Amino acid sequence: SQQGEEDPQALSIQEGENATMNCSYKTSINNLQWYRQNSGRGLVHLILIRSNEREKHSGRLRVTLDTSKKSSSLLITASRAADTASYFCAPISGTYKYIFGTGTRLKVLA
Amino acid sequence: EAGVAQSPRYKIIEKRQSVAFWCNPISGHATLYWYQQILGQGPKLLIQFQNNGVVDDSQLPKDRFSAERLKGVDSTLKIQPAKLEDSAVYLCASSYQPGLNEKLFFGSGTQLSVL
Repeated sequence: SQQGEEDPQALSIQEGENATMNCSYKTSINNLQWYRQNSGRGLVHLILIRSNEREKHSGRLRVTLDTSKKSSSLLITASRAADTASYFCAPISGTYKYIFGTGTRLKVLA
Repeated sequence: EAGVAQSPRYKIIEKRQSVAFWCNPISGHATLYWYQQILGQGPKLLIQFQNNGVVDDSQLPKDRFSAERLKGVDSTLKIQPAKLEDSAVYLCASSYQPGLNEKLFFGSGTQLSVL
């Protein structure tokens, strides 16, 4: 099992701007997943990208995966105040263990 | 479909007391996880069940924490006796099966304060 390391730790942007956060990991993966956590709530699955995929879109979310660099990025376009949350990545390998890092805390200012 | 149910939502106890948390996963989900999330940190995996068997409990402080999943459905996590450093949110999650492309579904958590 391995833990993803999210970067930056905190990000503050204006509403309407794009937000980009990154995830690095150490060993090969089957897929990588991104989750969102609103304050005081459980995590919610956002998107999954398989190891043979390079880019994936879901609504205002765009995820990229570079297996050669062992990194992924999550882009949220046209951010809204409701996007204020912590974002976690989970690199999934053959043991299927979901190990989370400390996350990126995103604050979208209205 | 109904989500992962957890109770209680909040719990305040004094150190050295006992506490128990309950989780009911999504119907049909074979895998159940308990996480501990200390303020400002990411969720830390405590224990993972596959049906009613333990897959991984390497991070569970077994001198004070215990968990069971009788009949492979709902689960209980217990702390006895509690310490100040156990103050955290305890999250339960479930997935259909451990495997490729499975995602986790989380409950809202139980916020524990140990005074």
